[in-house]
Parts: sequence; structure tokens; C-alpha cells
Amino acid sequence: QTVVTQEPSFSVSPGGTVTLTCALSSGSVSSSYYPSWYQQTPGQAPRTLIYNMNIRSSGVPDRFSGSILGNKAALTITGAQADDESDYYCVLYMGSGIWVFGGGTKLTVL
Amino acid sequence: QVQLVQSGAEVKEPGASVKISCKASGYTFTSYAIHWVRQAPGQRLEWMGWITAVNGNTKSSQQFQGRVTITRDTSATTVYMEMSNLGSEDTAVYYCVRNRGGSGGNINYFDFWGQGTLVTVSS
Repeated sequence: QTVVTQEPSFSVSPGGTVTLTCALSSGSVSSSYYPSWYQQTPGQAPRTLIYNMNIRSSGVPDRFSGSILGNKAALTITGAQADDESDYYCVLYMGSGIWVFGGGTKLTVL
Repeated sequence: QVQLVQSGAEVKEPGASVKISCKASGYTFTSYAIHWVRQAPGQRLEWMGWITAVNGNTKSSQQFQGRVTITRDTSATTVYMEMSNLGSEDTAVYYCVRNRGGSGGNINYFDFWGQGTLVTVSS
């Protein structure tokens, strides 16, 4: 079973830049995995941030960007704000109708 | 506007079954697949499976095969997820989510989420 790995936690200062990553237990993430990113605050449903690796969903601020860095999908927040403090999840399409979420990254802004 | 409205919280005993609904509105129901994702308390999101609204084809994660049944009622624009033989480990918030695009296409992702349904399994 393929595992999708994210950093369990990350910390960034207000106004700083942070890059969260999403890796496969075997192989490299590419656009064919349709990497997407979701933000979730406690008690709320996830919110779609980025899809198709680097396309921002409607209404998402441009401080959020997606890319491929090396063999991983990446979510970069440039100019972090206090309300960016959330859990962030990536999900990858494995083919044959199967999707796998990463373990999520808890981002602290302080 | 697109909305996915889920049924209310459920409390079930171990070994029971639960059926959750997801009422879709604001778009052409048969043009999209609906997926189910769950999240146990303090845990990660977990993909469960999907149904294509146009023809009822389904796919489930191997972890849930045999225990999860996903159906839809096109006249009611509603998708259902039924899980049998519940255990305490199934206590979670269950989300339905719309899949925009599809494999082989230019885009493929989850765009609109339901509000979630808490299922508590306890004796």
C-alpha cells in the first residue's frame, strides 16, 4: 500500500515563508498524480486551496502556491498570516480510481 | 451555488450499521462523482470511496471493501454511504465531497465539501 507522507508539524513566523511537502513512499510525485492541497481548521470541513499541482481554487489568496519540488508536491505560503494556522492535507490520485491522503501538517504561526 | 448538505449526527452501537446522506444542489447532479472521506478524532483525512452519479459505478478503498456501500438517488440528487458492522474505530466525522474532473482529464480534484456528519460508535 502506497503511503503519502507530510511533515507532521511546521512553524512559521508571521510574514515568513514556509514550504510544506507531500511525498510518496515509493516513487516521485508528478502532475499525473493530480496533487491537491486542503486547509482545515478545527471543527470545520476542509477547504480546497490548490489543485492540479499549482492552480489556486477560487478565492484563495495568492500567498498560497503549489509546485513540484524535486520528487515531492509542495505548498508554499509566502507572507504567512495568523489565520493560516491550520492543518494542511495533500491528496494524490493513484490511478484505478484510488486516492490517498497524506498524514497532514499542523502549521503554527508564531 | 453548489451545496452538499449531509444528514445529522448518529450514535450507533458496535455491530450496527449506519447510513448517511448527502443532498446535492446547485449543479447538474449527474455530471460529477461524489466521494466519501472520513476523519477520526484528531486523525488525518481518510479516503473511502466514490460513486459516479450518472451511472452509479462505485469504487471503495480496499480497507472498506465489503463494509461500505455507496448509492445514489438521481431523482433526489442524493448520495448515500452505508457502513456495516461498526466498531469503535469507526467513530469519525464523515464528509461527502464533489470530484471535479476525472482521471485522464486536465483536472481532477475535490472542489466542494459537505459539512460533515459525526458518527459515534459506543455501547
